Amino acid sequence: QSALTQPPSASGSPGQSVTISCTGTTSDISIYNFVSWYQQHPGTAPKLIIYEVNKRPSGVSHRFSGSKSGNTASLTISGLQTEDEAVYSCSSYAGSSNFVIFGGGTKLTVL
Amino acid sequence: QITLKESGPTLVKPTQILTLTCTLSGSSVSNFGVGVGWVRQPPGKALEWVALSYWNNDQRYSPSLKSRLTITEDTPKNQVVLTVTNMDPVDSATYYCVHIKWPLYTFDYWGQGILVTVSS
Repeated sequence: QSALTQPPSASGSPGQSVTISCTGTTSDISIYNFVSWYQQHPGTAPKLIIYEVNKRPSGVSHRFSGSKSGNTASLTISGLQTEDEAVYSCSSYAGSSNFVIFGGGTKLTVL
Repeated sequence: QITLKESGPTLVKPTQILTLTCTLSGSSVSNFGVGVGWVRQPPGKALEWVALSYWNNDQRYSPSLKSRLTITEDTPKNQVVLTVTNMDPVDSATYYCVHIKWPLYTFDYWGQGILVTVSS
C-alpha cells in the first residue's frame, strides 16, 4: 500500500489529453506545495517532469502540466504521443519525519 | 551536468549487510543546499524513499527502515554511502541514487540504478 494513491492504469489516443490523479491526505499534498511527478520508461530511471505542483524543469515539454486541489494532485498530458507511454509516479513532501512519499505509479498506454 | 553513479554488490544473502556507494559528478556533496540520497523500487512495484544526507550533515531516514540504515558522506571522494543491515528478500529492489536541492523536496537527478537481489 503506497502512501499516495494513483490509478494503476490510464490510456488515451494520440493527440488526446489524459489526466492522472494522485490522492494524499491532510498531512502531505493538502498542506505542502511540494508535489512532483516522474516519468519512467521500462528499464530506465525515473525522470522529473513536474515539481512544486506545476513547474517544469528545463527541457520538459509544455504538454506536461500539473495542478493541485485539496489533497489531490493531477498531471495532465496534452497532445498525447506514443513516446509518452510510460509509468508516471507522483511524490509529495510529508513533513520532516516521513520526508518524501510516493504514489504507486500509473501505467499510461497510448492506444 | 550532474550525474550520479551507484556501485555495490548485486547479490547479498539474507541477514547480510548491504553497502552501496553513490558517486556524484558535476557538483559537490558539500555544496550549500545539496542533498544526496537513495530511493528504491522492488521489481514491478512503487518507488520508496530510503534515506538522504544533506550538505550540512543533516541525515534523514525512512521511518519504516530507520533502525537498519546508516547514510554517510565521504567528502574527499564526493560520495555518499548507504548501509542496510539484516537484509531480507523483501529488500530486493533497484536502488537509485538521487540528488535533491534544499529547500526543494524534489529528486531532480537520478542515477541509473543498481539491482540488488537478496537470496541465499
